[in-house]
Amino acid sequence: EIMLTQSPGTLSLSPGERATLSCRASQSVGRNYLAWYQQKPGQAPRLLIYDASTRATGIPDRFSGSGSGTDFTLTISRLEPEDFAVYYCQQYGTSPRPFGQGTKVEMK
Amino acid sequence: EVQLLESGGGLVQPGGSLRLSCAASGFTFNNFAMSWVRQAPGKGLQWVSGITNSGDTTHYADSVKGRFTISRDNSNNTLYLQVNSLRAEDTAIYYCTKDSGWLPRDWGQGTLVTVSS
Repeated sequence: EIMLTQSPGTLSLSPGERATLSCRASQSVGRNYLAWYQQKPGQAPRLLIYDASTRATGIPDRFSGSGSGTDFTLTISRLEPEDFAVYYCQQYGTSPRPFGQGTKVEMK
Repeated sequence: EVQLLESGGGLVQPGGSLRLSCAASGFTFNNFAMSWVRQAPGKGLQWVSGITNSGDTTHYADSVKGRFTISRDNSNNTLYLQVNSLRAEDTAIYYCTKDSGWLPRDWGQGTLVTVSS
């Protein structure tokens, strides 16, 4: 079973700054089937990135994903006020399909 | 527009059962795999179970295997999760997802299951 570890747990940044979130897998993620989600309080998660680096429909280009194998990164180039939220990674190549524990991006 | 509407949650005693439903619309239901993902209060996301578009293959997280059963009715565009032998740690919002392959692309708003005496 693949396990995902996200870091840091919390990221304190200001609007306009760059956010770099990490997701590390315990073994290689097949076909780079790694996704990133954003969740705001009281809302369902929203798909941001899939296949490690492909933006989902309607996602602004300030969000980008990179990585392969066991190390993946979500980058938000310039934080907007609406980007402060919790972000989760998930591998969906093999079952079970776990999520990471999440990274909270909070306003400094 | 894809719509996923979960129902069936509520307060149940430990050891009890519920059947969660997810009514789907806005897409061809029998073309897509579906899944359930849950989130305990104040905690992260946990994948629970998935089912292929035809219903012939199912997968479960180890924590629910043998207690939960996923199924679907393609004639009525509805996904189900039968949850039995409930424990306090099963308390969560249960989301249904429409999957592309096994990628949860669209999410419902969830139904809350509370296990307490």
